[in-house]
Amino acid sequence: DIQMTQSPSTLSASVGDRVTITCRASQSISSWLAWYQQKPGKAPKLLIYKASSLESGVPSRFSGSGSGTEFTLTISSLQPDDFATYYCQQYNSYSELTFGGGTKVEIK
Amino acid sequence: EVQLVESGGGLVKPGGSLRLSCAASGFTFSSYSMNWVRQAPGKGLEWVSSISSSSSYIYYADSVKGRFTISRDNAKNSLYLQMNSLRAEDTAVYYCARGKVGYMSRWGQGTLVTVSS
Repeated sequence: DIQMTQSPSTLSASVGDRVTITCRASQSISSWLAWYQQKPGKAPKLLIYKASSLESGVPSRFSGSGSGTEFTLTISSLQPDDFATYYCQQYNSYSELTFGGGTKVEIK
Repeated sequence: EVQLVESGGGLVKPGGSLRLSCAASGFTFSSYSMNWVRQAPGKGLEWVSSISSSSSYIYYADSVKGRFTISRDNAKNSLYLQMNSLRAEDTAVYYCARGKVGYMSRWGQGTLVTVSS
């Protein structure tokens, strides 16, 4: 099994802050990583795929980077709409997809 | 507009069965793999099962293998999850999600399954 570990689990930030979330894989997954945003009571929404490709319609303040075992999601200037929980997901192994534990971005 | 609408959730006793459905519209359903992902109350996302566009490839998480069965009917643009031998730990919101090379490009709104006596 490929384990995905996100850090931090909770992050307190202010509007306008630059925010970085880290996701580590227990083994190399090349660039087969996606990031999702989820707001309370809502379904997740795809933000980034293949580690750094921005999904259509997602604001350019979101960016992803990394390969192998270490990945980051960066929000360049946090907006009020960005307070949510973020999840990474590996798809290197089609037979066993796994998500990270999530990072909740809270208002400071 | 892409739409995925889950149904079939509800309250069921431990050991019971439930069948979830997901009605798809707004895209060529038969061209996409599909997934079920669940989220226990207050917890993170857990992948449950995937099925390829023609049902040739089917995968399950270890936690549901042997108890859950994923299927699809491309003629009806529908995805299903038959859940048997349900346990308390299966309590969750179940989402269907359209797949794309292993990630999930669109999600339904979810349906709540509660396993309790």
